[in-house]
Amino acid sequence: AQKITQTQPGMFVQEKEAVTLDCTYDTSDPSYGLFWYKQPSSGEMIFLIYQGSYDQQNATEGRYSLNFQKARKSANLVISASQLGDSAMYFCAMSPYNTDKLIFGTGTRLQVFP
Amino acid sequence: DAGITQSPRHKVTETGTPVTLRCHQTENHRYMYWYRQDPGHGLRLIHYSYGVKDTDKGEVSDGYSVSRSKTEDFLLTLESATSSQTSVYFCAISDRDRALGLNQPQHFGDGTRLSIL
Repeated sequence: AQKITQTQPGMFVQEKEAVTLDCTYDTSDPSYGLFWYKQPSSGEMIFLIYQGSYDQQNATEGRYSLNFQKARKSANLVISASQLGDSAMYFCAMSPYNTDKLIFGTGTRLQVFP
Repeated sequence: DAGITQSPRHKVTETGTPVTLRCHQTENHRYMYWYRQDPGHGLRLIHYSYGVKDTDKGEVSDGYSVSRSKTEDFLLTLESATSSQTSVYFCAISDRDRALGLNQPQHFGDGTRLSIL
């Protein structure tokens, strides 16, 4: 069965520090995409970063980077230099290439304190 | 921001009544999706569409139906609402190229908060 696991229900980080949000996935498909989304308290879902299973390099988007370890089936999100505005729920998601579906984890709530 | 509008944004209704949620996009994307978000479950796919009049079921499709008569509109209907369908509903769109098997990110609307009493 295809599944996304986020084992950290909540994380705290001090402003300007880096934080890693964990994500592991389970799939038998050889090709897939991995995504991270941010959901602030206002409720909207914001796409952050994408990693393809055959990409040779880890994806980066500004302060966001994805630590992709294919053999371990992990796709952790790293946020560098945390800001107060980073406080939100973060969801990891996976989509096998041969399907039209996106499978979400249960999310991690990140709180950034001054 | 992707041009996605969900309506209504909030709705309170009674058990047994029909409810229709609308998702409207201005991006001309082929794929549209309906999800529900509940505490402890993340987002779960209800139904999706890969073209006009082309739809398929997701993980939690029981009690829901959808229709897509135009590229820009995707409707989610609860034929007879139940309290278990109280949730936040999100519409998403994607420009996924199915023929090439490429993943494009899904972009989400702002959500509809539905309460069924």
